[in-house]
Parts: sequence; C-alpha cells; structure tokens
Amino acid sequence: GQQVMQIPQYQHVQEGEDFTTYCNSSTTLSNIQWYKQRPGGHPVFLIQLVKSGEVKKQKRLTFQFGEAKKNSSLHITATQTTDVGTYFCAGRYAGGTSYGKLTFGQGTILTVHP
Amino acid sequence: GAVVSQHPSRVICKSGTSVKIECRSLDFQATTMFWYRQFPKKSLMLMATSNEGSKATYEQGVEKDKFLINHASLTLSTLTVTSAHPEDSSFYICSAPQGMGVYEQYFGPGTRLTVT
Repeated sequence: GQQVMQIPQYQHVQEGEDFTTYCNSSTTLSNIQWYKQRPGGHPVFLIQLVKSGEVKKQKRLTFQFGEAKKNSSLHITATQTTDVGTYFCAGRYAGGTSYGKLTFGQGTILTVHP
Repeated sequence: GAVVSQHPSRVICKSGTSVKIECRSLDFQATTMFWYRQFPKKSLMLMATSNEGSKATYEQGVEKDKFLINHASLTLSTLTVTSAHPEDSSFYICSAPQGMGVYEQYFGPGTRLTVT
C-alpha cells in the first residue's frame, strides 16, 4: 500500500543546532504537506509543496520536495526551544478528490535543550 | 485560520458502553472530514473518511460496525465507539480540509478516550 516513511523518529539537539527530518514515499506523490504538533496539542499545518524540486522557506524553516516527487525534507536552522514538537509529513497521492486523504509519516519528535 | 472543535476533550467509560465524539467545523463548511487515531508518540492513523450525506469510507482493518461515523450536516461529524474495550483507549482526532487549492487540514483538539 501507499506508505510514507519518515526519519529519524527522535532528534535531540542543543539550542542553536540545525535539525532535519526526511520523508520518503515508494510511489510518486501528488503533493506533500508538513504539520507540527506541539506536546499535548494537535497538528497544525505548516506548508504544502506541489511542484517537482520545489523549495519553500518560512523564516528558519526550509522545505524541499524532491525532483521525483517521492521525497521531502524539512530543515530548521539554529533551533530554538519553541521548535520543540513532532513534525509530520503527509503525502497526497494522485487520483481521488481534491479533498483526498493524506498519508502521514511516522513523525519526528524534536527535543531542544537550552 | 479555520477552527475545528471536538467534544468531549476527555472521556472515561466502562467496558461495553458506547461513546460518541463530535467534530465540528466552526467557521466553514466541510463536506469531508477525517477521523484519526493516535497512540502516544506515534503517528496519526487514518480510520475513516466522513462524507456529508453519504456513507463513510473506512480504511482497511477498521471495523465499521465498531466505529460508527455519521456526517449529518456540513459542519458536524460524529464518531461513535460502540461496545468499547480497553484496547480502544486512545487519542481520537478529527480534521477537515479547507482552503482554495491547498486543502490543508484543520485538526480538532482531539478526544482522549479511556476505557476501564
């Protein structure tokens, strides 16, 4: 079936260090979204990538979508304690409705030590 | 952004009873809503797609008679866990897509179900 693999599962960094999480799908994605879930909270939408090779930035966050539209990454530069949480990628596969379901990666739990 | 509410936020029930969880889109209409289950420090597992005015679409392995979904209006979907057992204890979270062309999902705050 369609699966999105995400690594690493956990990442512990010192404040100021960089952080990257990676997602990979065995089949081509229509688009990919990224979400952040703070401890005790619910997932919050960060961004959507649609085009092959697309790169988007949000302040210290850089999102990339692979050329083959099978992989994606989220990179955070100079982490801060406010970056703590679980980061999920969620892929949408071609076909189905525009409101089609998302397949979530396993998530990366980021801990930032001050 | 759009707001999705869930009720109740926490519920404790006895084994064998049924529990209903409501998911509401507060400031937009949602013809489709999604129900997820999340275990501690784990990912979101899609259980079913709730469709307004028609039957829900369940993911493989999810018992439709166990997890009843009703989407009676454009702003409300309900998930009923029937004859709950301790293994049904989990965090249940709904979402609704909204937006022009992006269809980002807005998540409810979730419901923590504990079956004793």
